[in-house]
Amino acid sequence: ETGVTQTPRHLVMGMTNKKSLKCEQHLGHNAMYWYKQSAKKPLELMFVYSLEERVENNSVPSRFSPECPNSSHLFLHLHTLQPEDSALYLCASSKSEMDTGELFFGEGSRLTVL
Amino acid sequence: DQQVKQNSPSLSVQEGRISILNCDYTNSMFDYFLWYKKYPAEGPTFLISISSIKDKNEDGRFTVFLNKSAKHLSLHIVPSQPGDSAVYFCAATRENFNKFYFGSGTKLNVKP
Repeated sequence: ETGVTQTPRHLVMGMTNKKSLKCEQHLGHNAMYWYKQSAKKPLELMFVYSLEERVENNSVPSRFSPECPNSSHLFLHLHTLQPEDSALYLCASSKSEMDTGELFFGEGSRLTVL
Repeated sequence: DQQVKQNSPSLSVQEGRISILNCDYTNSMFDYFLWYKKYPAEGPTFLISISSIKDKNEDGRFTVFLNKSAKHLSLHIVPSQPGDSAVYFCAATRENFNKFYFGSGTKLNVKP
């Protein structure tokens, strides 16, 4: 139990669907992140939020839309995805975006796009 | 362009022996390095880190070595235990920056 919870753990969606991934952290951290892990590839940073403001968008296609309503919750809204977007999506948090300490990861949401 | 590389996708070691996992990086601006461990169906968990002002950091059975001139770091696990079987990710960043660059991972299998 890392203090970062992701739901759903598994999601299968068609290319025309709209779905959302949810992340919640109970650690009192101020920074939250979305990472993508594809098979045999490095973890790719997608978005960084600090105190609910987006501070990093790592050239992610607009079909991925993040939302951070407060410092404890982070969403990733998905629409018109492609099969190559199938991957494990990991949420993480840290004390602040300026803190080079640990990232605390959730267990991930396994996404399959048909 | 991959700035952090783990060239060995897998490693198999006998229980009780040493496991050595390697990581190379290309960006000389990186000054903080971390190792994460990931079990199946779980998120990565932090294992050990090292700042560029050091060349070694030890925590129990885990030691990380940093060779700045070679842009290389390694994780040593001694003695290896079957419970260490997992995927190990190397990560690098710059102090006070929020971007962590990860390698693609090395799957360690410790055989009883």
